[in-house]
Amino acid sequence: DAKTTQPPSMDCAEGRAANLPCNHSTISGNEYVYWYRQIHSQGPQYIIHGLKNNETNEMASLIITEDRKSSTLILPHATLRDTAVYYCIVRLQGGSEKLVFGKGTKLTVNP
Amino acid sequence: GAVVSQHPSWVICKSGTSVKIECRSLDFQATTMFWYRQFPKQSLMLMATSNEGSKATYEQGVEKDKFLINHASLTLSTLTVTSAHPEDSSFYICSGGAGGPNNEQFFGPGTRLTVL
Repeated sequence: DAKTTQPPSMDCAEGRAANLPCNHSTISGNEYVYWYRQIHSQGPQYIIHGLKNNETNEMASLIITEDRKSSTLILPHATLRDTAVYYCIVRLQGGSEKLVFGKGTKLTVNP
Repeated sequence: GAVVSQHPSWVICKSGTSVKIECRSLDFQATTMFWYRQFPKQSLMLMATSNEGSKATYEQGVEKDKFLINHASLTLSTLTVTSAHPEDSSFYICSGGAGGPNNEQFFGPGTRLTVL
């Protein structure tokens, strides 16, 4: 079973920041928080991951609370192409570790 | 990120036939490959994990004799749906991981299977 809880859907205006929350209250000390997204009828795309420090890359920023029980993915300037289902996943780091997908958050970016 | 391809991208077959789906890592060696299935409006469900040169590990409820997985090389894994039935119609997605703590999983574009 997925170890995360996300809102089923969110809306965001184009050009504005999209803040997607995720609860992972049972995360263990060596588990990372991963974010993937899936655009309709495509394979998932890796976005970002982190352990306890905030992370930023060209796609997004990841803010993890100090107690690590929740996190927020931030898309700073959402575009229509960011409309997708966003999955927050908790797991050990590494390419050999399986990903267990929950239901994710359907983000709709509106013009 | 690294590139994973799948072939075919879509396939339509008659009930009772077998269908093979290929998953290739194009620019990295995938020591581990994963196969997922996704029904309409649902999330991805992991079917099995395979390591190169060894037998796949199937998730609970997935029939290993129906979904045959072969991971013959570090760049190729195949999923064969044997004696396909309409309820096997789904979106099948593979992913590959290069192993090690600093390497991540990358997903293929998916294969849409429709069984008539």
